Amino acid sequence: SAVISQKPSRDICQRGTSLTIQCQVDSQVTMMFWYRQQPGQSLTLIATANQGSEATYESGFVIDKFPISRPNLTFSTLTVSNMSPEDSSIYLCSGRGLANTGELFFGEGSRLTVL
Amino acid sequence: GQQVMQIPQYQHVQEGEDFTTYCNSSTTLSNIQWYKQRPGGHPVFLIQLVKSGEVKKQKRLTFQFGEAKKNSSLHITATQTTDVGTYFCAGPGGRTGTASKLTFGTGTRLQVTL
Repeated sequence: SAVISQKPSRDICQRGTSLTIQCQVDSQVTMMFWYRQQPGQSLTLIATANQGSEATYESGFVIDKFPISRPNLTFSTLTVSNMSPEDSSIYLCSGRGLANTGELFFGEGSRLTVL
Repeated sequence: GQQVMQIPQYQHVQEGEDFTTYCNSSTTLSNIQWYKQRPGGHPVFLIQLVKSGEVKKQKRLTFQFGEAKKNSSLHITATQTTDVGTYFCAGPGGRTGTASKLTFGTGTRLQVTL
């Protein structure tokens, strides 16, 4: 199984600022995804992080607001830009292993609070 | 777009009682996965079901995939306090509907008391 490390684990940010979340996987994964989870809610897929190319965004999410990079198979970043209190949430990085069993491994999550 | 609903939203049981959560998709699924998220934790994979009518067991947990591959259930026999958490089903989906992405259900939060 893959171990996924995320940082920061939590942060308190000011309105209008941007924050970058880093995600490191300890082994190669075929696909990496970024999810958002409001407290007590389900997970909403933000985008698929594609290695060496632009991420594929889901409906309601755009690159200008959530730029994503994936320079190699084991590392990705998600930036939350020009934050507002509505962006307060838990952001989760996930990856699917090479075995392609379908199982997703998740990072511990980054809890952002925007004041 | 694809929607995956779960009922109930929340259930509180006493230790030893059984628990069932139901998952319903608006579209036919090629497979369905189940995850458990402990309070304050991240989702952890439990199982994947692929075949129509498939039933799989993991100790006290029984998972079932519907014949039409649009619904699934998770049943826990004789719950324990370690079962506390939110249970999510998830099916292939996303904006382009490709099998590589997962759309998570609304989740069922289970609380177990002594």
